[in-house]
Amino acid sequence: ELKVEQNPLFLSMQEGKNYTIYCNYSTTSDRLYWYRQDPGKSLESLFVLLSNGAVKQEGRLMASLDTKARLSTLHITAAVHDLSATYFCAVDRGATNKLIFGTGTLLAVQP
Amino acid sequence: AAGVIQSPRHLIKEKRETATLKCYPIPRHDTVYWYQQGPGQDPQFLISFYEKMQSDKGSIPDRFSAQQFSDYHSELNMSSLELGDSALYFCASSFGTSPYEQYFGPGTRLTVT
Repeated sequence: ELKVEQNPLFLSMQEGKNYTIYCNYSTTSDRLYWYRQDPGKSLESLFVLLSNGAVKQEGRLMASLDTKARLSTLHITAAVHDLSATYFCAVDRGATNKLIFGTGTLLAVQP
Repeated sequence: AAGVIQSPRHLIKEKRETATLKCYPIPRHDTVYWYQQGPGQDPQFLISFYEKMQSDKGSIPDRFSAQQFSDYHSELNMSSLELGDSALYFCASSFGTSPYEQYFGPGTRLTVT
């Protein structure tokens, strides 16, 4: 059974600081997704990583994928309050591409 | 650009009642996925449809059923509602079954009292 784990589950950080969220998954997959969710809202797609070594950046967020280690990272550079949200990684599974989500990381950026 | 539409956005039902959630995918998208997200939890896959046929099934209770219609919209029918069914229900759509990205709707918040 595919399991997707994130750490940390909760991250409180100060504005201007850097930090990394880790996403580990238990079985082989070449595709990894990162989503952002504000409280009570929908899932906003941040990154789609399609191959080993893929790296994507958007603003203060950068995501990477190492399929051999079954690990993806979401790096936050110089955090700002607007980045406060819950971040989920997800792996698609099987021919139908259903998503298996990680446990989520609640990020709180303090002024 | 058109997005996934879900209705209703909020729904309050009593135990043992039934509920129907609707999902209208992005135009030309032929695949629909349903996910359930309980309070403080990660989304869990329920069921998916491709070209109006069920393509995959997850942890969906037998009390729930779903279908995709000829215009590609989908409905999730939930009967004998329980308190534990209270959750956010998301629909996502994509084009084909190997597209690499699902677009999520705004969700339906179901509260069972």
